[in-house]
Amino acid sequence: DVVVTQSPLSLPVTLGQPASISCRSSQSLVHRDGHTYLNWFQQRPGQSPRRLIYEVSNRDSGVPERFSGSGSGTDFTLKISRVEAEDVGIYYCMQGTKWPPTFGQGTNLEIK
Amino acid sequence: EVQLLESGGGLIQPGGSLRLSCAASGFTFSNFAMAWVRQAPGKGLEWVSGISTDMKSYYADSVKGRFTITRDNSKNTLDLQMNSLRAEDTAVYYCVADYGNLDAFDIWGQGTMVTVSS
Repeated sequence: DVVVTQSPLSLPVTLGQPASISCRSSQSLVHRDGHTYLNWFQQRPGQSPRRLIYEVSNRDSGVPERFSGSGSGTDFTLKISRVEAEDVGIYYCMQGTKWPPTFGQGTNLEIK
Repeated sequence: EVQLLESGGGLIQPGGSLRLSCAASGFTFSNFAMAWVRQAPGKGLEWVSGISTDMKSYYADSVKGRFTITRDNSKNTLDLQMNSLRAEDTAVYYCVADYGNLDAFDIWGQGTMVTVSS
C-alpha cells in the first residue's frame, strides 16, 4: 500500500497567521490517466470529515479561499493563508491514485 | 440538501454480527461509487470497503472475508454486513459518496459507532 506521511502532526498557530501542512507519499501519485488523486480533508472537533481540496489544488464548493493546495508527484502541501478560529481541527491528506486508498496520519491544528 | 444518514451501530460481543445502513438523499445515488471509512477512537481514518456504480465490491485486507458491502439503487441505500467482529473493529463508521472511482470521497455522513466488546 502507498504510505502517506504528514508533517507536522501537531500545528499550533496564532490567529491570523499562515499555516502549512506537508503530505508525502511513498510512490508517485500521478495516475496513468494523467490526474493526481490527492485530496485534503478537514475534521472539526466532534464532526465528520469534509473534503476541502481534490486533485491537489481544486477547492470544494464553499471552502474559503484562504485554503489552497499545491504539489506534484510525491510532495504536496495544504496552506491556510490566515488561520481563523473555525479552522481548528485535524487535517488529513488522502491518496486515491493507487489501490487501496490511503490516508495520512492527520495534523492537529490548534490556536496558540 | 445532500445527505448521508448512517444507522445500525451499537455494542456487540466479539464474534458477533452487525449490519450498518446508509440512506442517501439529495443527489443521484446511482451515479456515485460508495464507501465505508472508519475511525477508531482517537485514531485516524481507514478505508474499509467500497462499491462501484457497476456493483463491483472492494475490501481492505483487514476485513476481507468478514464484511460484505451492498447497495440498492432503487432505495438509495448502502449496507455493510459485518461478521466475526473483533475488538479492533471498534470505530465510528462513515458512509462516503464518491463521484469518481473511489479516489475522491466527496460526501461524508455523520457516522455510526460500532463497539465490539464483551
